[in-house]
Amino acid sequence: DAKTTQPPSMDCAEGRAANLPCNHSTISGNEYVYWYRQIHSQGPQYIIHGLKNNETNEMASLIITEDRKSSTLILPHATLRDTAVYYCIVRVAKGYSTLTFGKGTMLLVSP
Amino acid sequence: DTGVSQNPRHKITKRGQNVTFRCDPISEHNRLYWYRQTLGQGPEFLTYFQNEAQLEKSRLLSDRFSAERPKGSFSTLEIQRTEQGDSAMYLCASSLAGDSNQPQHFGDGTRLSIL
Repeated sequence: DAKTTQPPSMDCAEGRAANLPCNHSTISGNEYVYWYRQIHSQGPQYIIHGLKNNETNEMASLIITEDRKSSTLILPHATLRDTAVYYCIVRVAKGYSTLTFGKGTMLLVSP
Repeated sequence: DTGVSQNPRHKITKRGQNVTFRCDPISEHNRLYWYRQTLGQGPEFLTYFQNEAQLEKSRLLSDRFSAERPKGSFSTLEIQRTEQGDSAMYLCASSLAGDSNQPQHFGDGTRLSIL
């Protein structure tokens, strides 16, 4: 699976949009971009995934650049409960495949 | 709650003892994964089951580790002769088979502390 690069930490004010970047310049055509987050003392929580097109669900939006070499996870109105480590993962979409986690981005949402 | 359930949530044991963890996946999920997470690191893959068949094991899964999924439903992970380095969070995840981009859903893990 392709490697991802994320900033180690980010800050966001409560109520503002949180934009978390991820670089995956070696991504292959059959690899999806997945985002998970992990709140302290809990297991990772699936947020969203996409291949080429931008995706939106009740939790977040995923913006993938046209060349697919980078993406941005957007939390439109961050709350204190969004404070967590956010992992961007690239995963092959055939058969089964495991998730290879990096160190992620620690997002701190402040009042 | 129909999510992935793991028991116990915490386990403290002395070095050299055996421990066993249980994972109950989401009921219709036939793929089950075990991961290990140490402090400050992301989870690392240990092993994978499709139904009752264990199809892949990571090199992290030493001979002291064994995992089973006897009827293709719940799974157990046993560690024999525990060592200090086994202290970690052990996470279980499950997913649907078939559609290859199905996301994995995680439980809240079992935190193992070796004294």
